[in-house]
Amino acid sequence: GAGVSQSPSNKVTEKGKDVELRCDPISGHTALYWYRQSLGQGLEFLIYFQGNSAPDKSGLPSDRFSAERTGGSVSTLTIQRTQQEDSAVYLCASRPRGENTEAFFGQGTRLTVV
Amino acid sequence: GDSVTQMEGPVTLSEEAFLTINCTYTATGYPSLFWYVQYPGEGLQLLLKATKADDKGSNKGFEATYRKETTSFHLEKGSVQVSDSAVYFCALFTTGGFKTIFGAGTRLFVKA
Repeated sequence: GAGVSQSPSNKVTEKGKDVELRCDPISGHTALYWYRQSLGQGLEFLIYFQGNSAPDKSGLPSDRFSAERTGGSVSTLTIQRTQQEDSAVYLCASRPRGENTEAFFGQGTRLTVV
Repeated sequence: GDSVTQMEGPVTLSEEAFLTINCTYTATGYPSLFWYVQYPGEGLQLLLKATKADDKGSNKGFEATYRKETTSFHLEKGSVQVSDSAVYFCALFTTGGFKTIFGAGTRLFVKA
């Protein structure tokens, strides 16, 4: 597709369950980012991947959060043992090579933990 | 560390009013600066960008100038419309790296 695709668009899960959120970046983009946007809040950086380099995981809020990027393309963000405070919109973005390029965002996955 | 500070919202204006949303940054080196917009129910999309000092980014009547001396990138529009109601995010991409830093966002309401 032409843009960043995220799935599912909405996810409702029970507290304590694990969830996986998927991101398909724009083909050829070397950088991929995950952000969290809580209701009425700004963007909280979670993690980014750049080519074959080790990911920057400095924004992950706890060890219940993990992410991987397979083959330099698709990424999965996994949240284990979900808590109600994990409810938010999770945004993925990808960016082509080059320092002055912009990031392109997906529509996000709205996660609700009940 | 690198950071972006935006004026707090919400900002409420009448149609055709002048808009300024302040953004200042702290960064080492020479970051690229961006404004993103998020319309209700939609994802973030790039509004404009500037990649070096004194550059002016512009789009859809919005402008912002990269001011290195004041470390600012204020967003302006001369005459806002109801359709400009959205949340606006200032952001920087760090020099030599790929980390992206976003401001907290400023919500704009434009009344008819």
